[in-house]
Amino acid sequence: GENVEQHPSTLSVQEGDSAVIKCTYSDSASNYFPWYKQELGKRPQLIIDIRSNVGEKKDQRIAVTLNKTAKHFSLHITETQPEDSAVYFCAARYGGSQGNLIFGKGTKLSVKP
Amino acid sequence: DTGVSQDPRHKITKRGQNVTFRCDPISEHNRLYWYRQTLGQGPEFLTYFQNEAQLEKSRLLSDRFSAERPKGSFSTLEIQRTEQGDSAMYLCASSSPGGMDTGELFFGEGSRLTVL
Repeated sequence: GENVEQHPSTLSVQEGDSAVIKCTYSDSASNYFPWYKQELGKRPQLIIDIRSNVGEKKDQRIAVTLNKTAKHFSLHITETQPEDSAVYFCAARYGGSQGNLIFGKGTKLSVKP
Repeated sequence: DTGVSQDPRHKITKRGQNVTFRCDPISEHNRLYWYRQTLGQGPEFLTYFQNEAQLEKSRLLSDRFSAERPKGSFSTLEIQRTEQGDSAMYLCASSSPGGMDTGELFFGEGSRLTVL
């Protein structure tokens, strides 16, 4: 069945360091891979996404890479700041353009000042 | 429009009771999703509507769960004969296909259910 694996489950970095979170998916037909950030007690919010026709996308300190052959994608945060501390979820769309999003279990990122 | 709204935000009920949650999506969005989230886990897909049509329902979803979107606007999620294992945050999200069909999900604040 559809599955998204996410690692690590927790990640602690010093302010200014980089953080990398990795996800793998099982459906080769998946075409859309978003990343959501969820702060404590808040709703998940989209921070960046990538479609299957590109290999990398950047938005300031955040970047996402996609390897369709290996069916994995990664989130990279550079120059981390304390406000980056949150739970990050990757997701993959299954069932084509009409399909739903399946989420990973999340990575709790802590950025220590 | 202030985004996706959900009601109630918190619900405490006794085991065996029925509960209903309501979701009002962003007005121009035709897709509406229900997810369930427990502590330390990612959102778990429950069901999904496009307009008033329920297009998909999770195979893991018990028959005690039912969702409707009668006029293609707001949606309700009902849980019958609640069990303690139903305790979770129930998240609603909406999206619009858009020209690029990214389908970004806009989540509500969620309805937290506690079953005693």
